[in-house]
Amino acid sequence: QKEVEQDPGPLSVPEGAIVSLNCTYSNSAFQYFMWYRQYSRKGPELLMYTYSSGNKEDGRFTAQVDKSSKYISLFIRDSQPSDSATYLCAFYGSGNTGKLIFGQGTTLQVKP
Amino acid sequence: DVKVTQSSRYLVKRTGEKVFLECVQDMDHENMFWYRQDPGLGLRLIYFSYDVKMKEKGDIPEGYSVSREKKERFSLILESASTNQTSMYLCASRQGSKNEQYFGPGTRLTVT
Repeated sequence: QKEVEQDPGPLSVPEGAIVSLNCTYSNSAFQYFMWYRQYSRKGPELLMYTYSSGNKEDGRFTAQVDKSSKYISLFIRDSQPSDSATYLCAFYGSGNTGKLIFGQGTTLQVKP
Repeated sequence: DVKVTQSSRYLVKRTGEKVFLECVQDMDHENMFWYRQDPGLGLRLIYFSYDVKMKEKGDIPEGYSVSREKKERFSLILESASTNQTSMYLCASRQGSKNEQYFGPGTRLTVT
């Protein structure tokens, strides 16, 4: 079983839709949960970061963590064409040396 | 703002050539990382460095080496490039006490 599973997509939605991006993980030691956004031909940039179960909101973005189910989600409200990118979930474990474990990335296209 | 720069955006090399990829960060970060990114495989860690002159193997170090002579610079070396090293190479840096990694724009390397 892979340590992290993420649906690669691609996912195509109309502008204004609510988008749900998801990752499952198997390692109970993961304590820090991140979402990166990567535009075409660019490096990933950190979008959201949380370390506890529950929801964290930042504008149109909400990160949700369910540690009991080992499941994290990123919700995008009122999606815009500028949200078109690849979204990567990433994880750290406790006592981690700085190594991030990444999902495969989900490619999202928001059509005007 | 943290800035991570990589020496080339696009590089074409021949099989058997020695290839140097350079990464520089301007935020005095202790940790630096080299990843490669391939479709369907996500980001995979090649090598990382906790501090100057220190290095650790990541998940796929075979065929690569690294050098960190100065804190701000981390070099990835392909001793004898092969076609299966055609990929996007991403450098990242991290302050030792934080979890976020900051990525450069990437170098797309093609080995023919």
